[in-house]
Amino acid sequence: AQTVTQSQPEMSVQEAETVTLSCTYDTSENNYYLFWYKQPPSRQMILVIRQEAYKQQNATENRFSVNFQKAAKSFSLKISDSQLGDTAMYFCAFTLGATNKLIFGTGTLLAVQP
Amino acid sequence: DAEITQSPRHKITETGRQVTLACHQTWNHNNMFWYRQDLGHGLRLIHYSYGVQDTNKGEVSDGYSVSRSNTEDLPLTLESAASSQTSVYFCASSDLTDTQYFGPGTRLTVL
Repeated sequence: AQTVTQSQPEMSVQEAETVTLSCTYDTSENNYYLFWYKQPPSRQMILVIRQEAYKQQNATENRFSVNFQKAAKSFSLKISDSQLGDTAMYFCAFTLGATNKLIFGTGTLLAVQP
Repeated sequence: DAEITQSPRHKITETGRQVTLACHQTWNHNNMFWYRQDLGHGLRLIHYSYGVQDTNKGEVSDGYSVSRSNTEDLPLTLESAASSQTSVYFCASSDLTDTQYFGPGTRLTVL
């Protein structure tokens, strides 16, 4: 079965600190893509970062970076210099390359404290 | 700028009524998707389409249908609304990099 597990339902971090959100997934496929989406209170789903499974280099996007461990099927998100605007629900997801269907985790609610 | 829109943004309906949620994208993407979001479940796939005249069932398709008559639109129809279909619905489309871009969502309440 294709599944995504986010084991941290809620997390809190102080402004300017660094936080890491965990994600593990399960698939027997070799060709897939991994994503982190952010959903602020506005409810809009916003792409944070994307990783191709065939690339060993971890993706980075400004203050956001991932630690992709393919053998362990782990895909954590690190947010550096946390800002109040980072407060949101964060979803980990992956899509099988052939089908393009996204499979989501249940999300981690991140609160950035001033 | 290209975008993906959904209408209505909020809808209240009664059990048994037919409801159609609209999704329109100007990205010219072939792939389009409908998801529902419920507490504790994340987003779950309802239906998807890889192009005009193509539709496929997702994980939670019972009670829903879609049709794709052009590239831009993928309307979602609830044939006979049930209280269990109260949810937030998201439409998405994807580009050649497999990245999906989401609409703003529709909050549907079935009384």
